Amino acid sequence: DAGVTQSPTHLIKTRGQQVTLRCSPKSGHDTVSWYQQALGQGPQFIFQYYEEEERQRGNFPDRFSGHQFPNYSSELNVNALLLGDSALYLCASSPNRGETQYFGPGTRLLVL
Amino acid sequence: SQQGEEDPQALSIQEGENATMNCSYKTSINNLQWYRQNSGRGLVHLILIRSNEREKHSGRLRVTLDTSKKSSSLLITASRAADTASYFCATRTGGSYIPTFGRGTSLIVHP
Repeated sequence: DAGVTQSPTHLIKTRGQQVTLRCSPKSGHDTVSWYQQALGQGPQFIFQYYEEEERQRGNFPDRFSGHQFPNYSSELNVNALLLGDSALYLCASSPNRGETQYFGPGTRLLVL
Repeated sequence: SQQGEEDPQALSIQEGENATMNCSYKTSINNLQWYRQNSGRGLVHLILIRSNEREKHSGRLRVTLDTSKKSSSLLITASRAADTASYFCATRTGGSYIPTFGRGTSLIVHP
């Protein structure tokens, strides 16, 4: 049983560009959450998707958007990249209303 | 904003010793979870303790929760070099199913 997978593993972009990160949840999970983790910090919640809709959102600007597909996989899009967007982006999946989240290995984004 | 704050920020011990890290939080919680992260990769769930529980065990891990002090501790007994990682506490409050993470404790276990 594959766990949560994310692609790509690493990404380098320049300021102003746009990026799309992808996540496939653990089998049997229908809820996907995205987190941003800056160096030396804990993960910060971006948003959560369930039934192809954004269910809850953290304190992130509209440049951060997402999507969930019918197979429960998800994308995170970031527009107009800033240097401060450089971070590890983590995807986590869970069953609906599940208390425990299962994390993917993350995508490390570097914005130059 | 950080709900939980881990203490210490960094901990260095020898293999075989016990490691204790603490988490303090600000508001009432539904549950508190501990996660491990190796080398800036994905987080691994270790243990969940609910607000009506005081202690839980899982292998070499022991977690306590004191809701009157709004604090939790994670004890790793007989540590191994493979326990070297960052450890985060995450709290759930109110009706939210989103855990809020602290900044973590970096543990180094020397062989």
